Amino acid sequence: SQQGEEDPQALSIQEGENATMNCSYKTSINNLQWYRQNSGRGLVHLILIRSNEREKHSGRLRVTLDTSKKSSSLLITASRAADTASYFCATDTRAQKLVFGQGTRLTINP
Amino acid sequence: SAVISQKPSRDICQRGTSLTIQCQVDSQVTMMFWYRQQPGQSLTLIATANQGSEATYESGFVIDKFPISRPNLTFSTLTVSNLSPEDSSIYLCSVMVGGTEAFFGQGTRLTVV
Repeated sequence: SQQGEEDPQALSIQEGENATMNCSYKTSINNLQWYRQNSGRGLVHLILIRSNEREKHSGRLRVTLDTSKKSSSLLITASRAADTASYFCATDTRAQKLVFGQGTRLTINP
Repeated sequence: SAVISQKPSRDICQRGTSLTIQCQVDSQVTMMFWYRQQPGQSLTLIATANQGSEATYESGFVIDKFPISRPNLTFSTLTVSNLSPEDSSIYLCSVMVGGTEAFFGQGTRLTVV
């Protein structure tokens, strides 16, 4: 089944720096979403970008989507310790079922 | 939005036994989704639970191992049967709101010994 690939698998940066995570997928999509997971708990929805959009902002988050390359990126600016978490992209292709990428473990060092 | 109460949050079970996980949603939803997250891995969809009909299972998951109940539009249970150490994972329930955004329970961390 389709599954997004994310890179890097792990990212460690200093507080205040920007963090960029990438996601690639295999088939056509309706939309692409990003979720955050803290310490193996439930996922929290961050942002959704539709297939006809190229860029979207929400607070310190910036998401881009390139459907020709089947890829997306999530940029977190001015990172904080509280941003330490795993981040997953998810694509929605059929009947409300989400397919999740492998995830990026982000660590923000004080 | 939707708020999901998932129980238990964690459990340690003996191999060969079963664990039933409950999810209660604060609003009526047509479909509920059950995911498994193995250690250090991403989420894998186990099945989709519809009220009034049998759950639809994804490839690699069978009803005998993961029976699901959906007695009404706000509640569902997932049972993980005949437990083995390989079943040690986080199990999550989820609903979709507006056909796009997914809301998740807090997860059940299962350890099989």
